[in-house]
Amino acid sequence: EAGVTQSPTHLIKTRGQQVTLRCSPISGHTSVYWYQQALGLGLQFLLWYDEGEERNRGNFPPRFSGRQFPNYSSELNVNALELEDSALYLCASSSYGGISTDTQYFGPGTRLTVL
Amino acid sequence: QQQVKQSPQSLIVQKGGISIINCAYENTAFDYFPWYQQFPGKGPALLIAIRPDVSEKKEGRFTISFNKSAKQFSLHIMDSQPGDSATYFCAASTRITGNQFYFGTGTSLTVIP
Repeated sequence: EAGVTQSPTHLIKTRGQQVTLRCSPISGHTSVYWYQQALGLGLQFLLWYDEGEERNRGNFPPRFSGRQFPNYSSELNVNALELEDSALYLCASSSYGGISTDTQYFGPGTRLTVL
Repeated sequence: QQQVKQSPQSLIVQKGGISIINCAYENTAFDYFPWYQQFPGKGPALLIAIRPDVSEKKEGRFTISFNKSAKQFSLHIMDSQPGDSATYFCAASTRITGNQFYFGTGTSLTVIP
């Protein structure tokens, strides 16, 4: 069974630019979660999508946005990039949504560097 | 505000020793406590998880101890091996906030041969 996949692996952008990250969940999973893993800060919850709808949002500015497609894949968009956006962006998927014990399976992440 | 506090930040253990990582939380609504293991260049992988209705869960060399009254839980790695060298994250979630996982800041474990 294929795991969660993310693309691209690495990205280098400059301040003010926009970036789109992509995630494909495990087959059969309907929920997709996005996390930011900045150095020394652990994993910070960004967004949760289930059945095409945004279900929950972490404490991030509106320039972080995303969507989920009918095939349950998802993209994360970050506008007006700032230096502090440099981080590993992780996508996770689970088979249900809204139940606290749902296991989340993570992809390998996209490393974003903002210069 | 860090919802889940994890310690230590780093840990060095001899092969065969016991590795202990601790986490504490404040939100009594949390009802699921997973531990994730992350190797360099990889995403976190679920290691073991516990619900607050049990005080201990063991899977192979990995054990979670849970103290509901103290709002603390810990990961014990018995007979630690060099292959266990990784970063470990504790997390907590509650259905009240829609399955959002709150992660600790991570513990970098190094097991010396």
